[in-house]
Amino acid sequence: RKEVEQDPGPFNVPEGATVAFNCTYSNSASQSFFWYRQDCRKEPKLLMSVYSSGNEDGRFTAQLNRASQYISLLIRDSKLSDSATYLCVVNPGLNAGGTSYGKLTFGQGTILTVHP
Amino acid sequence: DVKVTQSSRYLVKRTGEKVFLECVQDMDHENMFWYRQDPGLGLRLIYFSYDVKMKEKGDIPEGYSVSREKKERFSLILESASTNQTSMYLCASSFLRGGRNVANYGYTFGSGTRLTVV
Repeated sequence: RKEVEQDPGPFNVPEGATVAFNCTYSNSASQSFFWYRQDCRKEPKLLMSVYSSGNEDGRFTAQLNRASQYISLLIRDSKLSDSATYLCVVNPGLNAGGTSYGKLTFGQGTILTVHP
Repeated sequence: DVKVTQSSRYLVKRTGEKVFLECVQDMDHENMFWYRQDPGLGLRLIYFSYDVKMKEKGDIPEGYSVSREKKERFSLILESASTNQTSMYLCASSFLRGGRNVANYGYTFGSGTRLTVV
């Protein structure tokens, strides 16, 4: 089983649609969670962190369910500029020495295309 | 604005050549990372470093080595390039918070080096 699994898509949605991406992670000790966005031929960039209570940033809402080891990203009122690959990212937690060195594990990404 | 700079955007090398990929960050971050990204496989960690002269293997270190002589610079070395090392290479950095190193703010990535080995 992969450490972080995402539906690769692609998702093709019209402008204005609401779209949701899901992600599961295998390590129950995982500490922190993120969504990154990657445009074609560019580097990944942090979109938002994901908190246990759920969090919102404009049209984007992230949810975390620790019991089910599940993360989601909801995009409302999709724009053409939202077209990108969305990466689910997990900090898998501390090693035996009590540190994590901030290593992150990336899902393969979900491709979103928003069309007019 | 914080920056991670990778020395080359595109690179073409021959099989068997020794290849150096350079990464410099100006954020005084303790941690630096090298990933490669391939279609269908996502980002995979090659090596990382949490301090000057310290390094740890990631998930796919074979065929690679690294060097961190200064805090701001982390180099990835392909000892003898092979065609299966053709990939996009991404450098990233993050900082250490207190006594526990948790990447609450995630990484800052460089713009990547697309390496082709022929």
